[in-house]
Amino acid sequence: QQQVKQSPQSLIVQKGGISIINCAYENTAFDYFPWYQQFPGKGPALLIAIRPDVSEKKEGRFTISFNKSAKQFSLHIMDSQPGDSATYFCAAILGAGSYQLTFGKGTKLSVIP
Amino acid sequence: DGGITQSPKYLFRKEGQNVTLSCEQNLNHDAMYWYRQDPGQGLRLIYYSQIVNDFQKGDIAEGYSVSREKKESFPLTVTSAQKNPTAFYLCASSIGSGTGGFYEQYFGPGTRLTVT
Repeated sequence: QQQVKQSPQSLIVQKGGISIINCAYENTAFDYFPWYQQFPGKGPALLIAIRPDVSEKKEGRFTISFNKSAKQFSLHIMDSQPGDSATYFCAAILGAGSYQLTFGKGTKLSVIP
Repeated sequence: DGGITQSPKYLFRKEGQNVTLSCEQNLNHDAMYWYRQDPGQGLRLIYYSQIVNDFQKGDIAEGYSVSREKKESFPLTVTSAQKNPTAFYLCASSIGSGTGGFYEQYFGPGTRLTVT
């Protein structure tokens, strides 16, 4: 049972455009929603994260939008650059006491010049 | 340099052999994790450990074993019982307690295991 559904599987965006990746979750007990960025052959790196009591969080060109009632959250990459080309994973974790991250299947982003 | 190291980067084994993947961290984190990543898939949790000498099974523990004798080390053994061992293996760690750092898992560079 996949508890975090991520879309699209792949995304091609022109340089300078906005990249949008969406995730939906089922378990309302999830308490923390991180996004990871992974380059080929490397481990994932934490990019940005949000808690469900916040509707939006921005860090530089990266923004998470969170819709608690719809159980959806999304990553927006503004002014996308070729260096942003990577695979992005959304994830979710239950509240205090839980150690298990549940990951989406990933979105491969290609930013073309 | 603080971080997580995994060795080797590439590992080749014959079918039927056990193999141990190394993971070391100098972040003074209490919790450590092992994930498996297959092409087009998200990360799936194999085992995790909250403290020394204690560990729990994740979603896909069958065919794997771990130990946690030291805080900084969490080796993973892929046994011959694992039916499809060829994959990219990722080790991670987190502070393990506290409000913010509790959840943030930091990943190592990974080991790509190929079994033929």
